[in-house]
Amino acid sequence: EVQLVESGGGLVQPGGSLRLSCAASGLTVSSNYMSWVRQAPGKGLEWVSVIFSDGTTYYADSVKGRITISRDSSKNTLYLQMNSLRPDDTAVYYCASLWGLSYFDDWGQGSLVTVSS
Amino acid sequence: ETVMTQSPATLSLSAGERATLSCRASQSVSSNLAWYQQKGGQAPRLLIYGASTRATGIPARFSGSGSGTEFTLTISSLQSEDSAVYYCQQYKNWPPWTFGQGTKVEIK
Repeated sequence: EVQLVESGGGLVQPGGSLRLSCAASGLTVSSNYMSWVRQAPGKGLEWVSVIFSDGTTYYADSVKGRITISRDSSKNTLYLQMNSLRPDDTAVYYCASLWGLSYFDDWGQGSLVTVSS
Repeated sequence: ETVMTQSPATLSLSAGERATLSCRASQSVSSNLAWYQQKGGQAPRLLIYGASTRATGIPARFSGSGSGTEFTLTISSLQSEDSAVYYCQQYKNWPPWTFGQGTKVEIK
């Protein structure tokens, strides 16, 4: 059974930084396409970033230049480094596996990031 | 970017009724479409992929159809546990992978 467990969320001031982690079990992060999807309070789902098994990365235009996705094979963990945070980055951030660059088949429980002064 | 538009925003039906949810893509996505169910405070759950293939463990009352730009999710006989928000997502034209804004299904 696949389990994805996010951590690292919290309250941060505008302009601040935060790093989210997603610890995986039941799948190998480095061998899969792994992604982050976010959901602002009361809003829909927004894809944020993806990292391919070969290390290729893509980002949504809304976060490009401010967010970096990475992974640690030794810890089987996915990361999302978020810098220059803005109030509209406030959301629950989900870690998800992307089956064959298509649909998101396994999801974590989410980690809430609140950007506010 | 492929924009996904869902309708209606909210669907209020009684248990046992048939629910029909629509999803339209701004350009063809062939059959590269998935549906998700999200209950309050929970992560989304994959229901359908390939426009019409049920994911593992999904009850047969959920079915998907369509191709190109027009898609439908049907719940043949609503159960109380089907109260949720349903999202469509395309994976033909990426990046980005894009979702519809969601349809909320309420059970009267």
